[in-house]
Amino acid sequence: NAGVMQNPRHLVRRRGQEARLRCSPMKGHSHVYWYRQLPEEGLKFMVYLQKENIIDESGMPKERFSAEFPKEGPSILRIQQVVRGDSAAYFCASSPTATVYSNQPQHFGDGTRLSIL
Amino acid sequence: KQEVTQIPAALSVPEGENLVLNCSFTDSAIYNLQWFRQDPGKGLTSLLLIQSSQREQTSGRLNASLDKSSGRSTLYIAASQPGDSATYLCAATPQGGSEKLVFGKGTKLTVNP
Repeated sequence: NAGVMQNPRHLVRRRGQEARLRCSPMKGHSHVYWYRQLPEEGLKFMVYLQKENIIDESGMPKERFSAEFPKEGPSILRIQQVVRGDSAAYFCASSPTATVYSNQPQHFGDGTRLSIL
Repeated sequence: KQEVTQIPAALSVPEGENLVLNCSFTDSAIYNLQWFRQDPGKGLTSLLLIQSSQREQTSGRLNASLDKSSGRSTLYIAASQPGDSATYLCAATPQGGSEKLVFGKGTKLTVNP
């Protein structure tokens, strides 16, 4: 079974451009989570999505950031008009059900390293 | 607001040594506490998940304990090996219907041959 697939692994953008990060969850998983890891910082929760729905976006910056998980295709984290402070590793995780009810761990991808020039 | 702290930030030990990694959290209202391993340039691998009603979990040479009342968890690694070198992260799932994990900054472990 393939794990959580994220692409691209590395992404370089200039200030003001758009960044699109993709996450394909594990087969059979309908719950997706995005986290950001800034240099020398721990992972911070950004957003939790189920198919076609945003469940919790309390960790997402109010401007420039958006996420979706369509009925077909991968989950997308979109960052508009990127700034240097957006440089970080962005991780996606997935689970088959809500983890607090099943006590199943979230399964993580290898991340996308975003660099802003 | 839940905060998770890991001490020490880095640890270097000789091969074969038993060691303990520490994790503390500020709010005892959690669903579970998880330990992950992160290798350089890689994602996180789940090691152990302790439910709030449990005291410990074991997998091979790893044993994780949970003391909710004191807000502490430990990860015990027996007979450490160079392949155990990685960053170890603990994360708490706060109660309140949230699915988010709250992570510590990790302990970077180096096991020297």
